[in-house]
Amino acid sequence: GAGVSQSPSNKVTEKGKDVELRCDPISGHTALYWYRQSLGQGLEFLIYFQGNSAPDKSGLPSDRFSAERTGGSVSTLTIQRTQQEDSAVYLCASSGQGNFEQYFGPGTRLTVT
Amino acid sequence: GENVEQHPSTLSVQEGDSAVIKCTYSDSASNYFPWYKQELGKRPQLIIDIRSNVGEKKDQRIAVTLNKTAKHFSLHITETQPEDSAVYFCAASIQTSYDKVIFGPGTSLSVIP
Repeated sequence: GAGVSQSPSNKVTEKGKDVELRCDPISGHTALYWYRQSLGQGLEFLIYFQGNSAPDKSGLPSDRFSAERTGGSVSTLTIQRTQQEDSAVYLCASSGQGNFEQYFGPGTRLTVT
Repeated sequence: GENVEQHPSTLSVQEGDSAVIKCTYSDSASNYFPWYKQELGKRPQLIIDIRSNVGEKKDQRIAVTLNKTAKHFSLHITETQPEDSAVYFCAASIQTSYDKVIFGPGTSLSVIP
């Protein structure tokens, strides 16, 4: 079946602009995660959605970052007033209830100029 | 807060030799420990995982050991091959949740032909 998809694959934006990154999880997966990966670095947890529960936003680095998940499926990560340090690959993952393997999307490479 | 450390950060081995990557975690309630492999330019993928009720798990050339008392776990790759070259991330679940994990910083493994 289809895996996790993300769009756009690449995004170049000017400092100060807002950006929206989209994630389509695997159908039926109740858990959805956003991570940030800077060049050569690890996976920095940003936010986690699980079913209808309130999201775990403990990893969001500042109030410029927000995310929502509509209808328990598609998620959008929004970064307002982008800064150069926001440049990274943003990875989305999903997992199904009872199966804890996280399936990652291909990522969105964000470059802030 | 919860923390996962991983060593070494880089590792080079000759083809056919074994490779060992070690991780420690801080949350004594952690009960799920996955390992992900990320090849260059690709998304992370689960290669093996272990739950706290077992001390060792094997899958062909890959094995993971867990010492809950010492709060550390290790990945062992035997008979390494060039295609094993990648970044490996360990992770530990948060408290008693299986869904949310904290990733270690990663180990870049190079297998020299």
